[in-house]
Amino acid sequence: DTAVSQTPKYLVTQMGNDKSIKCEQNLGHDTMYWYKQDSKKFLKIMFSYNNKELIINETVPNRFSPKSPDKAHLNLHINSLELGDSAVYFCASSHTSRIAGGPDTQYFGPGTRLTVL
Amino acid sequence: RKEVEQDPGPFNVPEGATVAFNCTYSNSASQSFFWYRQDCRKEPKLLMSVYSSGNEDGRFTAQLNRASQYISLLIRDSKLSDSATYLCVAMPSGNSGYALNFGKGTSLLVTP
Repeated sequence: DTAVSQTPKYLVTQMGNDKSIKCEQNLGHDTMYWYKQDSKKFLKIMFSYNNKELIINETVPNRFSPKSPDKAHLNLHINSLELGDSAVYFCASSHTSRIAGGPDTQYFGPGTRLTVL
Repeated sequence: RKEVEQDPGPFNVPEGATVAFNCTYSNSASQSFFWYRQDCRKEPKLLMSVYSSGNEDGRFTAQLNRASQYISLLIRDSKLSDSATYLCVAMPSGNSGYALNFGKGTSLLVTP
């Protein structure tokens, strides 16, 4: 009965490699997000997709490319990994309220702890 | 300047104590406000939304002052299980795509 799941949970890799993190939600939500939590615990939005369309793309290096094959999935691909990419990456999802025009609660996945050596 | 600012703590309090956390936000267009809780090495989870009139959920009371752009969380009768980091969150309106702006969090440790 997992709501928002991410794989892998831990990812240790060498600088320069390319890696992907997958996210799936079974809540029927139409909006999905990627957040990055750095070593100082600051949680910051990276991307947001609504109905498979990109609606937020914060100042993130273009080495990061999100892909949403369908409303239930939002994957994050990272090219040419750098030391500074080491962080915990959280996927989240929410339902956009058609009545209020805003989102319901965002539910977060368990996070992917990325370590770049 | 960060959009959402919180006192990082840590707050060390004995069981049964009352503790208050404060938070300020800089974007006056922020429309929705929340407190999230994050346990060590876990994901953030919604604790409660914050409404203009103030709201209470058991031992937890949240207040919002739009004029001062100030949000607070009061925890009464602290339990050991309340130990966590509490994240103040503001969500701008408009074309923000509903992204949450998180504060850095306030660490709470409740001791026996």
